[in-house]
Amino acid sequence: DGGITQSPKYLFRKEGQNVTLSCEQNLNHDAMYWYRQDPGQGLRLIYYSQIVNDFQKGDIAEGYSVSREKKESFPLTVTSAQKNPTAFYLCASSFSPMNTEAFFGQGTRLTVV
Amino acid sequence: KNQVEQSPQSLIILEGKNCTLQCNYTVSPFSNLRWYKQDTGRGPVSLTIMTFSENTKSNGRYTATLDADTKQSSLHITASQLSDSASYICVVSGTTTSGTYKYIFGTGTRLKVLA
Repeated sequence: DGGITQSPKYLFRKEGQNVTLSCEQNLNHDAMYWYRQDPGQGLRLIYYSQIVNDFQKGDIAEGYSVSREKKESFPLTVTSAQKNPTAFYLCASSFSPMNTEAFFGQGTRLTVV
Repeated sequence: KNQVEQSPQSLIILEGKNCTLQCNYTVSPFSNLRWYKQDTGRGPVSLTIMTFSENTKSNGRYTATLDADTKQSSLHITASQLSDSASYICVVSGTTTSGTYKYIFGTGTRLKVLA
């Protein structure tokens, strides 16, 4: 089936540890995005990538890092520098950057313990 | 500042009733507007997408309207079902000062349908 897959669905991390969230898509989309969702707030853009080997910071990039070595994959690393990492993380993709429809993964809930 | 505001924040209705959710935006220039449905703990799923030239778009029991002059959109749900219980997010695509596109998300309306 075509789609966008995030893993794992739930993730627990100890303070001070880095953790990587996976996002894979087989929709042949050029653009991919990472968003953070907190209660009572709209989705906030962390990073986005328009093409392979290129990515741009979003509105809240501090404490996060990404890579885009393959068109299908856009992993997000939450580093120990992120002060409040507990949140619901959503990955999305689209044919062209932020103008065509975005398709979302099912999300990863990260909890720092 | 480009913003998308949704109302109400939350809504409770009885099964079978209709409801209308509102979205006001100040995004300019405007490219298109989407409504997404997000079940708790899941990713958003697209319901409708409209460009500035479209006034209405339907998807089953969901009907979205758009008034580009007043920068208002609404999502009407007809004959609600328990499965409609979710958050509904309005997303506007506009261009930034550098000419790139950007999705701007509303905070959503949380709908609860009761039996």
